[in-house]
Amino acid sequence: EVQLVESGGGLVKPGGSLRLSCAVSGFTFSSCGMNWVRQAPGKGLEWVSYISSGSSYIYYADSVKGRFTISRDNAKNSLYLQMNSLRAEDTAVYYCAREDFGGNSFDYWGQGTLVTVSS
Amino acid sequence: AIQMTQSPSSLSASVGDRVTITCRASQGIRNDLGWYQQKPGKAPKLLISATSSLQSGVPSRFSGSGSGTDFTLTINSLQPEDFATYYCLEEYNYPRTFGQGTKVEIK
Repeated sequence: EVQLVESGGGLVKPGGSLRLSCAVSGFTFSSCGMNWVRQAPGKGLEWVSYISSGSSYIYYADSVKGRFTISRDNAKNSLYLQMNSLRAEDTAVYYCAREDFGGNSFDYWGQGTLVTVSS
Repeated sequence: AIQMTQSPSSLSASVGDRVTITCRASQGIRNDLGWYQQKPGKAPKLLISATSSLQSGVPSRFSGSGSGTDFTLTINSLQPEDFATYYCLEEYNYPRTFGQGTKVEIK
C-alpha cells in the first residue's frame, strides 16, 4: 500500500524556519518525482515545488523561490521541504504528492501538515 | 507560467444531475491536464489524468475531454458522495498551475 506521511508542521513566527518531512512507503521512492503542494485556509491548491527522482531537476513556485529548498534522501525514502524566512502568507496545509510513473499527474498524496506563521 | 481559468467557481446541483466544469489554459498544453477531487479536511484525489484517463476505482460517471487549451470534466448522474471541490491541474510543464477550484454543492 502506498503511503505518504508528512510531519514537521507547527506554529512559527514570521521570519522563522521550519523543515517539513514526507516519509513514503509502498513503492520505489527512488523512481518517482515528488512535489509539495499547499493550501491556505479556505483557499485553493497551490503547487510549491518539484524534485525529480535523482534530484537532478528542481523547480519552485515564484512565491517561495529563494526561501524554500526541496530535497530528498532516497536511502531513507524521505522528501523534505526546508522553509526559511517564513511569512504569514505561507500559512497553509502542506501536502507531499507523488508524480505518477511515466506520467505527469499527482497520483498519491499525503494527509498534509499544517504550518502556521504568526507572531 | 501557464494560467488556468476554471469555471464556474461554484454550482448547486441535485442528485442525478449532469454537471460540467471547464478549465481553460492560457496556452496550449496538449492533453496534459488532470482533474482532482477534494473533500473537506481531506487530501486531493486524482480522478482523471491526461485529460480523459480515468483512474482505477473512479466511477465511470466521471469523464474528461478536451485538448490544447479547453478542457471539461463531466459528472453524469451526480451522487451524494460527489459533492466536493474539483480542481484542474495543468501537467504540461513546471511550474504547475491549478485551476481556482469548483465547489459542487447540494441544491
